[in-house]
Amino acid sequence: DAKTTQPPSMDCAEGRAANLPCNHSTISGNEYVYWYRQIHSQGPQYIIHGLKNNETNEMASLIITEDRKSSTLILPHATLRDTAVYYCIVRAYSGGYNKLIFGAGTRLAVHP
Amino acid sequence: DTEVTQTPKHLVMGMTNKKSLKCEQHMGHRAMYWYKQKAKKPPELMFVYSYEKLSINESVPSRFSPECPNSSLLNLHLHALQPEDSALYLCASSRGGGDYYGYTFGSGTRLTVV
Repeated sequence: DAKTTQPPSMDCAEGRAANLPCNHSTISGNEYVYWYRQIHSQGPQYIIHGLKNNETNEMASLIITEDRKSSTLILPHATLRDTAVYYCIVRAYSGGYNKLIFGAGTRLAVHP
Repeated sequence: DTEVTQTPKHLVMGMTNKKSLKCEQHMGHRAMYWYKQKAKKPPELMFVYSYEKLSINESVPSRFSPECPNSSLLNLHLHALQPEDSALYLCASSRGGGDYYGYTFGSGTRLTVV
């Protein structure tokens, strides 16, 4: 299973862009990178995923380096409600089945 | 309906009790999952069901017994738990067992074993 490395915590000012990095140097060619977040005491929420191209949706943008060994999740205008733990996950297969294995994540604090 | 519903939201049980957690989704998803999350830790995968069959058991103790009666419903039967089993139990679903789409998670059941 490809492992991911994220900083344990980050701060961001409200209204500014939050850039959350993730290293996944052992990723295989057909493995997707997923980002989830978990607001306190709630279930994880899907944000975005990608393979090799940059992706954007209504929540965030995902920038994947050309060698695919790292990626950055961008929240373009962070709000206080974006305070959460953000998980970068490389999906693992086991016997043909999909497994999302969570790492420690990054605790993002958005402050006024 | 784009939600995964878990009941109950909170559960307190004694070590000799038998209880069940319930998870339901009506999105037509064919894969369902149980995760366990201890305080300040990431979720840990317990079980994977694909097309109503148990596909993955992550070496979970037998006091946790999953059941998938139909494609919309997933249960977790609990028996003779220990205080260290107290945690947030999360259910999730996805379109298929090997697909490229994200999981939808429920809000979890917070279990306390006394």
